[in-house]
Amino acid sequence: SYELSQPLSVSVALGQTARIPCGGNNIGSKNVHWYQQKPGQAPVLVIYRDSNRPSGIPERFSGSNSGNTATLTISRAQAGDEADYYCQVWDSSTVVFGGGTKLTVL
Amino acid sequence: EVQVVESGGGLVQPGGSLRLSCAASGFSFNSYDMNWVRQAPGKGLEWVSYISSSGGTIYYADSVKGRFTISRDNAKNSLYLQMNSLRAEDTAVYYCASLSFGELYFEYWGQGTLVTVSS
Repeated sequence: SYELSQPLSVSVALGQTARIPCGGNNIGSKNVHWYQQKPGQAPVLVIYRDSNRPSGIPERFSGSNSGNTATLTISRAQAGDEADYYCQVWDSSTVVFGGGTKLTVL
Repeated sequence: EVQVVESGGGLVQPGGSLRLSCAASGFSFNSYDMNWVRQAPGKGLEWVSYISSSGGTIYYADSVKGRFTISRDNAKNSLYLQMNSLRAEDTAVYYCASLSFGELYFEYWGQGTLVTVSS
């Protein structure tokens, strides 16, 4: 079965750029979607199909996908960006989520 | 306004059964593929099951295959999950989530309902 790997945690200084990787075998050939989840809340889509932002998501959020790694990039990180972030793909009629990355803004 | 509201969670003994419901409004429910996604306490997201807009196509995660049954009633704008032979590892918040129309990412999520399997 297909697997996605994410670091457990990423830290970023306030106002700096955070990069959250999502690794998978030839993930560049798949569409990757990213969700933000804050404590006690449902996930929220922040990037779809590798690099597209839904309406209402700040331009500070961007995504890329190539080879074996997809990356969520958060520019000018704010305290409100502290959350868990999950990547997601479809593979063989199943949904696969990464294990999630906790973003800490210092 | 889009609303997705899950219900039916609670405490159940191992081996028991529970039926979750999800009521949707504010979008054309009968046009959207629907899913159940769960999250064990302090853990990540785990996809559980998918059902197409017509109900004609259904998929399950291996971890629940043969024990859980997804269904929908488009006339009632409702999604269901019948859970049998429950195990401790099924303890989680269960989210009802729609795929975006014609897409493979989740657009609308409910706030979840907690299922606790314990004796």
